[in-house]
Order: sequence, then C-alpha cells, then structure tokens
Amino acid sequence: GQQLNQSPQSMFIQEGEDVSMNCTSSSIFNTWLWYKQDPGEGPVLLIALYKAGELTSNGRLTAQFGITRKDSFLNISASIPSDVGIYFCAGLAATFEYNNAGNMLTFGGGTRLMVKP
Amino acid sequence: KAGVTQTPRYLIKTRGQQVTLSCSPISGHRSVSWYQQTPGQGLQFLFEYFSETQRNKGNFPGRFSGRQFSNSRSEMNVSTLELGDSALYLCASRTGSVDEQFFGPGTRLTVL
Repeated sequence: GQQLNQSPQSMFIQEGEDVSMNCTSSSIFNTWLWYKQDPGEGPVLLIALYKAGELTSNGRLTAQFGITRKDSFLNISASIPSDVGIYFCAGLAATFEYNNAGNMLTFGGGTRLMVKP
Repeated sequence: KAGVTQTPRYLIKTRGQQVTLSCSPISGHRSVSWYQQTPGQGLQFLFEYFSETQRNKGNFPGRFSGRQFSNSRSEMNVSTLELGDSALYLCASRTGSVDEQFFGPGTRLTVL
C-alpha cells in the first residue's frame, strides 16, 4: 500500500524560530492534509490542500502541495510554546477510486515538535 | 457545532474479551472512519462507513468490525482481544463530499 515518509521525526527548537517539515511518497496523491495532535487527544486538522502547487496559510502555518503531487511541506513561522505537539501529514492517493464516498487516508509517521521558551 | 465524540474515553479489558466503541460524528456528516494509533505502527486505517455501508476496509483481521446507524453514529467492535490491540482508537467524520476528516478525542484501550 501507499506509504508516506515524514521528516524530521522530531525537532527541538528555540521559541521564535521557524520550523519546516515534509512528507514524501512514491505514489501520487490527490489531497494532502496536515494535522496536529496533542497528548491524549485526537488529531486536529490544520490545513487541507487539493491542487498541485497550491500554497495555503492558516495563521503562522503555511503548507504546500508539491508540484509532482508526491510531496507536501508544512512551515511554522515564529514558533511559540503552544506549537508543541506531533504534526502529521495525511494523503488521499490518486489511485484510490473516489465516488463521493470512498476515502482512506494514509498518514505519515509524524514530526514531534518541542519548543524551548 | 459540536465536534466528534467518542465513548468511552478509556477502557481496560483482558485478553479474549470483546469490546465495543462508539462514535458520534459532527452533525450533518455522513461518513465515519476508524483508525488505530500505536507507537509502533502509527495511524492505521481500519474502515470507513458511509450511509450505513462499509465503503473501505484496511488491512486488519476479521476480529475488527464495525457498523453505522441511520443517524450516522458508528460503533466498532473488537472480538477476542489480544495484547497487541492496546491502542488509541480514533474516529473521524466528514461530510462525504470533501476529503477533510475531523477526529474525535479517541478511546484508549488497554488489553491486559
């Protein structure tokens, strides 16, 4: 099945620094989603991307849908302590038939972000 | 609008028992998906239900099953529990016409 390689696995940065993480795959994806998960909670949707080359922002977060449709990037600018958590990419493969009902997301392994005040 | 709710939040069971988890989607959402999250395997897709029909199934044994009711609420059942079934089980809902999935807080299952 499809696999998403997410990197880095973890990051320990100083408050105020910018952060970049990415996901790559050998398969083409139609949709990329970025989530953040806090301990003991479910993932929270941050950004959704639907078109190759699309660049979308949500506050200090910016994500891009790679031109090849095989990768996506998430950037966090001016990090703050509450950015701490695990960030996941998720994709919906182009090879997967979608008939207004089928939807099976593949998740990356996550990037654990730690911010030092 | 209320988010996705899951009950119970925590469960402790012993090997061989069976368990049923419940998920109530966001109002108006017709699709419910279930995922298993473990430290070793990450987030893995179990199955998706849409309008009471199972649309997709992940690579899990038949001990894992689910259903969806006419009000879109969904239940997941695991029979003959094994130690390896200990995990956070997450439910996600979507409208059915877009890909964005919204997750509940999860049910933490511990199998002893």
